[in-house]
Amino acid sequence: DAGVTQSPTHLIKTRGQQVTLRCSPKSGHDTVSWYQQALGQGPQFIFQYYEEEERQRGNFPDRFSGHQFPNYSSELNVNALLLGDSALYLCASSSLGSSYNSPLHFGNGTRLTVT
Amino acid sequence: QQQVKQSPQSLIVQKGGISIINCAYENTAFDYFPWYQQFPGKGPALLIAIRPDVSEKKEGRFTISFNKSAKQFSLHIMDSQPGDSATYFCAASRPNTGNQFYFGTGTSLTVIP
Repeated sequence: DAGVTQSPTHLIKTRGQQVTLRCSPKSGHDTVSWYQQALGQGPQFIFQYYEEEERQRGNFPDRFSGHQFPNYSSELNVNALLLGDSALYLCASSSLGSSYNSPLHFGNGTRLTVT
Repeated sequence: QQQVKQSPQSLIVQKGGISIINCAYENTAFDYFPWYQQFPGKGPALLIAIRPDVSEKKEGRFTISFNKSAKQFSLHIMDSQPGDSATYFCAASRPNTGNQFYFGTGTSLTVIP
């Protein structure tokens, strides 16, 4: 049973560029959340997708957008990259809808470096 | 504003000792408090979680103590082992917010043989 898978594992981009990160949730899970983890910090919630809609959003600018596909996989897009966007981007999935607190299963993340 | 405050930032414990990590929160609407363990190069993994209707939860060597009135909760690792060396994060969430968790800043635990 595959867990949460993320691609790519590492990415280097130049300031001002755009990036797309991908996530496949754990089998049986229908909800995907994205978190940003800066070096030495705890993960910060970006947004959550359920039934192909953004259900919750954290304190991140509109440069951060996402999508969820019918097979529950998800993409995180970041436009106009800033140096401060350099971080580990974590995808997490869970098995219940947005009205419940359910355990998160994290992927190993995508390490994004903006130069 | 940090919704969940975690301490200490780092911790060194002898093998067989007890590791204690503390967290505090302000938002009384929080109703679910998980602890995550993260190894280098890996995503966080759920270790143990508690809801505020109980004061303690134990799973193997890991125990969460919860003090609702003080708005504090802590993780105790009994008989700490070198394999427990990792970064630990406490977190909290409110009801009906999906999986919007607020994480602490993490504690780097090193267990020395």
